Amino acid sequence: EVQLVESGGGLVQPGGSLRLSCAASGFTFSSYELNWVRQAPGKGLEWVSYIGRDGTTIYYADSVKGRFTISRDNAKISLFLQMNSLRAEDTAVYYCAREDSRRYGPNAFDIWGQGTRVTVSS
Amino acid sequence: SYELTQPPSVSVSPGQTARITCSADGLSKQYAYWYQQKPGQAPVLLIYKDNETPSGTPERFSGSSSGTTVTLTISGVQAEDEADYYCQSADSSGTHVVFGGGTKLTVL
Repeated sequence: EVQLVESGGGLVQPGGSLRLSCAASGFTFSSYELNWVRQAPGKGLEWVSYIGRDGTTIYYADSVKGRFTISRDNAKISLFLQMNSLRAEDTAVYYCAREDSRRYGPNAFDIWGQGTRVTVSS
Repeated sequence: SYELTQPPSVSVSPGQTARITCSADGLSKQYAYWYQQKPGQAPVLLIYKDNETPSGTPERFSGSSSGTTVTLTISGVQAEDEADYYCQSADSSGTHVVFGGGTKLTVL
């Protein structure tokens, strides 16, 4: 079964750090681009970051640029999001999402994890 | 910043047709995608490249594009279609993904 499973969420104080992980299974991990998308409580979806197949191409939303770092380990079939200098407005469910641009077009997210909740509060 | 505009809510009776629009100047140059999200669940890709459907998307869902507006049409709405629907595209460089604000579909 094709699957993405996020972990690493939790409660953190403003200014703190957290590292999210996303474990993949059921597909050739290194053949796909990956993204992080978040959803604040009761709000819509917000794209956070993108990483290319080999990890050399990376993009960030302006709201997290300079504070968050996306990375991947194709040998360990895992995606990561290092979040520093966290703010209350970073509180959200964070989803990892597979991008199958060859099959569905650029920026098409065809597989999503179940999400991990991050709460930034004192 | 680039924004996609969707109506916050749409209501329709079972069996009727629901149409959800998404507008932005850049939609004439970038593909649009549609996702369905039910409460407590992750989004699901419904429509890709404006009007194509992945296998698994019910036939009653279709997408169309006209200039700077894309539309998700649900023909013969069913109670199970009650959900939030999001359009998605990218900025002119294609490097920054943008989601619309979402539309809550209510089946009366």
